[in-house]
Amino acid sequence: GESVGLHLPTLSVQEGDNSIINCAYSNSASDYFIWYKQESGKGPQFIIDIRSNMDKRQGQRVTVLLNKTVKHLSLQIAATQPGDSAVYFCAERPGGGYNKLIFGAGTRLAVHP
Amino acid sequence: GAGVSQSPSNKVTEKGKDVELRCDPISGHTALYWYRQSLGQGLEFLIYFQGNSAPDKSGLPSDRFSAERTGGSVSTLTIQRTQQEDSAVYLCASSSVQETQYFGPGTRLLVL
Repeated sequence: GESVGLHLPTLSVQEGDNSIINCAYSNSASDYFIWYKQESGKGPQFIIDIRSNMDKRQGQRVTVLLNKTVKHLSLQIAATQPGDSAVYFCAERPGGGYNKLIFGAGTRLAVHP
Repeated sequence: GAGVSQSPSNKVTEKGKDVELRCDPISGHTALYWYRQSLGQGLEFLIYFQGNSAPDKSGLPSDRFSAERTGGSVSTLTIQRTQQEDSAVYLCASSSVQETQYFGPGTRLLVL
């Protein structure tokens, strides 16, 4: 079935370190992937996205990597800051004309000074 | 510019009552989505509107849930005869066709 999951439910890092959040997906037909950041009491905030015809995309301090061979997605955050502390969700779009997103359960990132 | 707005921000209701949740999408976005997020969980797709096409209702959990979108803009999600398991954050998102979905702040629903 369709599912998106995360390897680690909680990730603790020191301020200034790089963070890597991983995500596995099961639908090989998914054509679009996206990462959201959600702070407590707020709606998900778009971070970065990537289409299935790419394997890497960079933004400001963030990089998304897509490995379609093993159906794996990762979010890399460079020089992690306390403001990066939040829950991070990956999501996939199944393709085939379906626009809904299928979300994973989320990973909590805790940044320590 | 203005983002997606939702109202009310919080709603407490008694079991068996009906509730209506409102979403104002980003101006010009033709697609609108409703998701539900239970405590500590990921988001669960409920329904999707695209222009004048028939909505994708495949995620609605029961016939107590319905949604409409008037004039291609504002949407209302209605839950009839609310149950305690309906307690969750209801999130609305909008997008241009096949593009990034931007979320509102959500409505926190508590059914007593």
